[in-house]
Amino acid sequence: AQTVTQSQPEMSVQEAETVTLSCTYDTSESDYYLFWYKQPPSRQMILVIRQEAYKQQNATENRFSVNFQKAAKSFSLKISDSQLGDAAMYFCAYRSYSGNTPLVFGKGTRLSVIA
Amino acid sequence: DAGITQSPRYKITETGRQVTLMCHQTWSHSYMFWYRQDLGHGLRLIYYSAAADITDKGEVPDGYVVSRSKTENFPLTLESATRSQTSVYFCASSEPPDASYNEQFFGPGTRLTVL
Repeated sequence: AQTVTQSQPEMSVQEAETVTLSCTYDTSESDYYLFWYKQPPSRQMILVIRQEAYKQQNATENRFSVNFQKAAKSFSLKISDSQLGDAAMYFCAYRSYSGNTPLVFGKGTRLSVIA
Repeated sequence: DAGITQSPRYKITETGRQVTLMCHQTWSHSYMFWYRQDLGHGLRLIYYSAAADITDKGEVPDGYVVSRSKTENFPLTLESATRSQTSVYFCASSEPPDASYNEQFFGPGTRLTVL
């Protein structure tokens, strides 16, 4: 079974600075997807960024980018120019390419942004 | 409106009562999921469904029952609620992982309190 580990329960960053959230995963599969979801106080789960394992290029979405290291099974999220609205819980998640398709989540990292 | 909805958004019940949480999606996605979110655990899968009349257990299925008679609906029933089932419940839907667009979309969540 796949597992996802987020080793930082809480992080903080100054507004306009850069922060990196860590995520590692364990799998024996070669094809899969990795996701970062943001959960603000409203509780809504919002997809931040997605990475396909077969793509070597790291995904980027505006101020959000990932560092995907397939061999190391590492998938960190970098938030540049942090804004107050970035304060939220961030969940790393794994999804198999085939077969069992639900997301496997890490326990989350709570990010605080300091003005 | 298109999307995925959950009802009720908040529910308080007593130990031993039966409770049904509703989930409805308008995209005709084949896959639907139920997760529960608890502090320190992230989101854990309760049940999922690959199509109408096809359901399967997830990580924490005990005490829950699901059905899927129609593609768009996926109700979750707690047959005899216990305090340990106090949680926030999320419904999600998606296409199969090998589809061109395989993001899981989440409902707004239902906060359930069992007294």
